[in-house]
Amino acid sequence: DVKVTQSSRYLVKRTGEKVFLECVQDMDHENMFWYRQDPGLGLRLIYFSYDVKMKEKGDIPEGYSVSREKKERFSLILESASTNQTSMYLCASSLDRGLGNTIYFGEGSWLTVV
Amino acid sequence: QKEVEQNSGPLSVPEGAIASLNCTYSDRGSQSFFWYRQYSGKSPELIMSIYSNGDKEDGRFTAQLNKASQYVSLLIRDSQPSDSATYLCAVTGGYQKVTFGTGTKLQVIP
Repeated sequence: DVKVTQSSRYLVKRTGEKVFLECVQDMDHENMFWYRQDPGLGLRLIYFSYDVKMKEKGDIPEGYSVSREKKERFSLILESASTNQTSMYLCASSLDRGLGNTIYFGEGSWLTVV
Repeated sequence: QKEVEQNSGPLSVPEGAIASLNCTYSDRGSQSFFWYRQYSGKSPELIMSIYSNGDKEDGRFTAQLNKASQYVSLLIRDSQPSDSATYLCAVTGGYQKVTFGTGTKLQVIP
């Protein structure tokens, strides 16, 4: 089974702090994604990566950056956390660029910025 | 117009009934379609995928796709209280861009 692991499940951070959300997948998937999910807004794509050291902006990249130094690891960085970044963050992966590949999600990271 | 639209619900059905969940999408070039189930406080999990027009059945679940009408649906037969969750429709277009709907909340009443 595919396993996508998000190391931090629940975090509380102060406004202005730098926040790292880590994600690891164990199935040698090429694609990795970061989404945030908010009530009424659904899943929104922040950043995605098709390969090591590659990254592409999603629909809402402002205030975020990412790092993919190794194929299995994709990190989301909030350079200066703000209260409007309080949300559930979901990491996901899929096999490759072929159409029809299932996206597998991690368990989610609940971030509260105070 | 949203790229993927779903009625937010809640859709309430009695136990044992058929639940019908609907989704429309705007990109005619979309090629892959997925239904995910998400329990409260949990992450989405894949139920079914469908790629060609028609029906696809898996146990109590049937996905239906009509590309001409840009419409995809999920039928759940013999609904159980454990089916109560939010169901997300996802559509993949060019370059692996996956767009999710905001989900339909299903409540199965015992």
